[in-house]
Order: sequence, then C-alpha cells, then structure tokens
Amino acid sequence: QLQLQESGPRLVKPSETLSLTCTVPSDSIFSMSYYWGWIRQPPGKGLEWIGSVYYSGTTLFNSSLKSRVSIFIDTSKNQFSLRLNSLTVADTAVYYCARQRWMGNNWFDSWGQGTLVTVSS
Amino acid sequence: SYVLTQPPSVSVAPGETARITCGGSNIGSKSVHWYQQKPGQAPVLVIYYDSDRASGIPERFSGSHSGNTATLTISRVEVGDEADYYCQVWDSTTFHALFGGGTKLTV
Repeated sequence: QLQLQESGPRLVKPSETLSLTCTVPSDSIFSMSYYWGWIRQPPGKGLEWIGSVYYSGTTLFNSSLKSRVSIFIDTSKNQFSLRLNSLTVADTAVYYCARQRWMGNNWFDSWGQGTLVTVSS
Repeated sequence: SYVLTQPPSVSVAPGETARITCGGSNIGSKSVHWYQQKPGQAPVLVIYYDSDRASGIPERFSGSHSGNTATLTISRVEVGDEADYYCQVWDSTTFHALFGGGTKLTV
C-alpha cells in the first residue's frame, strides 16, 4: 500500500475556500494506471467521492459538487490538491486522498489517513 | 442517480459467517469493490472486481455477485473484523464513483 498524506487547515470559516494537498511518496503519480482522488466522510456518515485527477491534469467530479470543486496536480512535487469553495457547515468532514486504480471498473487501493476539516465561524 | 443499498447493520457471533449485501439496479453489469473501515481509521480495500482479494486480506474474506446483489462474505468471523463495510462501483455512464451507505458489522 502506498502511504498518502493529506495536509491543510483543520478549521475554515463558512463561505471561505478549503484547500487540501495530498503528497504521493513516489513517482507513481506519473503512472498511466492511476487517477488520484478525494473522498470525504461527514462525522458519523458514509463515504462520498468528490473527484479525481489524472497525471495529465484531466479531472472528473461528482456532479453534486462540481460547481464548487477544483482538483489539480503538480507532478514536479508529487502532489495533487483539492479546492472547495463557498463552504457551509455541511462540508465538515474527514477528507481522504486516495489512489484510484484505473481499469474500467475503478477502485481506490490506497488511502491517506484522512484529515478532519471543520467549517465553523 | 444510481444508488447502492446496504443493510445498516449485521450482527454475528465469533466463528460464524457474516454476509453483507449491496444492491443496485442492474448492478450485475458493474464490478463491485468492498472496503473495511475500523473506528477512527481510513477505509481499506478488501475486495475488488467482485471477488479478488486485495493484498494482505485473509482468505476468510470473499466476494460474489448474482443478479442485482453483490455480497461480501466473511467466514469464521473474528472480533477484529468488527468494522463498517462499504461497497463501491464505478458508473461508466456518468463517470462517477459511488459508495453504498455502509454496513456496521457487530461481532
């Protein structure tokens, strides 16, 4: 398993923008076999896919969040990042980054430990 | 939008067999993947492509797929298997990853 690591602020205010970064510990970020994804989990609730990015910069988004989300990749730093704007308290969640195996029917085979982001004034 | 349905909870005694289901319209046309999440931890891939075990996962864990239901089976359940389990599919029509609501396994 790849050890992914999320970083970013733990507390953000409503209406502001959340920025999180995931560091990939090797050059596997260049692999054509993987996308790199973000998934979140509100406290006590289930998992929700946010979106994913390919090493080329191609992105896929959950349509329910698409208007507020951007994901981009920096292969020179082995990092990919999430930006979620117009935050509300409903965006409070543990945010995970994960490696997404891209083989037609795609799954997440390595996950970061997750970071709890609280949206509060 | 596509919905995956899991029972909220399953309870078994140690040594018994646990079966956790995942239902969805025409799910037979999709591959189903399963994750285990213990309290305070990140999810861990258990089964991919319906029935392939992920690296390091005991043989007690198996997956199957029939009709509109996919099933995660855990044989000879141990106390350490107590966790939330999530199914997941990739919808190639909408290019979305979808998760079931999760099932809490109590041992």
